[in-house]
Amino acid sequence: QVQLQESGPGLVKPSGTLSLTCAVSGGSISSTDWWGWVRQPPGKGLEWIGEIYHSGSTNYNPSLKSRVTIAVDKSKNQFSLKLTSVTAADTAVYYCARAPWGSYAMDVWGQGTTVTVSS
Amino acid sequence: EIVLTQSPATLSLSPGERAALSCRASQSVDSHLAWYQQTPGQAPRLLIYDASNRATGIPARFIGSGSGTDFTLTISSLEPEDFAVYYCQQRYNWPPYTFGQGTKLEI
Repeated sequence: QVQLQESGPGLVKPSGTLSLTCAVSGGSISSTDWWGWVRQPPGKGLEWIGEIYHSGSTNYNPSLKSRVTIAVDKSKNQFSLKLTSVTAADTAVYYCARAPWGSYAMDVWGQGTTVTVSS
Repeated sequence: EIVLTQSPATLSLSPGERAALSCRASQSVDSHLAWYQQTPGQAPRLLIYDASNRATGIPARFIGSGSGTDFTLTISSLEPEDFAVYYCQQRYNWPPYTFGQGTKLEI
């Protein structure tokens, strides 16, 4: 079955760029699924960041849209998240997840990766 | 933006008891609501999709109901492993796809 694994730096400096990758195994990123990112600040709830389809079509949370880019790399079967101009408020556990086409849920999740914004 | 309001914030029950968790949407999401379970240090796990359909491998004691703006997740008889935080999410009206703030189910 499909598995997802996040990777990337655990520490990012304020005003820098957060960059994460989600590797897809057990399936193809070119399938009829949306691939998304969700984050969770320490002790808080879940926030949907955005998602991408293999064609490159994207949907972003308006609250983050000016700073977020999600991209897909079909050759490596992975997708990525870039968040610019980060502050301490961007400190969170970042999850990647799959939402099957036509589904209204996210059915497969990565284990999550902690990103701390600090100098 | 659709706001999902979950209640109660915390629910204190014992194993064997029945739990009822509520999720109310600020506007209709038809039946397109999902429920997730999150235990400490773990990723969310999909329990229910489309308001009432159990995800693969989810025990029958988890029952989802509702449509429009009012939804309920019922756990018919609590097992020790059910004590966790539960979130609802709508992927019907965007942007953005929103989550509720969560209900903590504690012993």
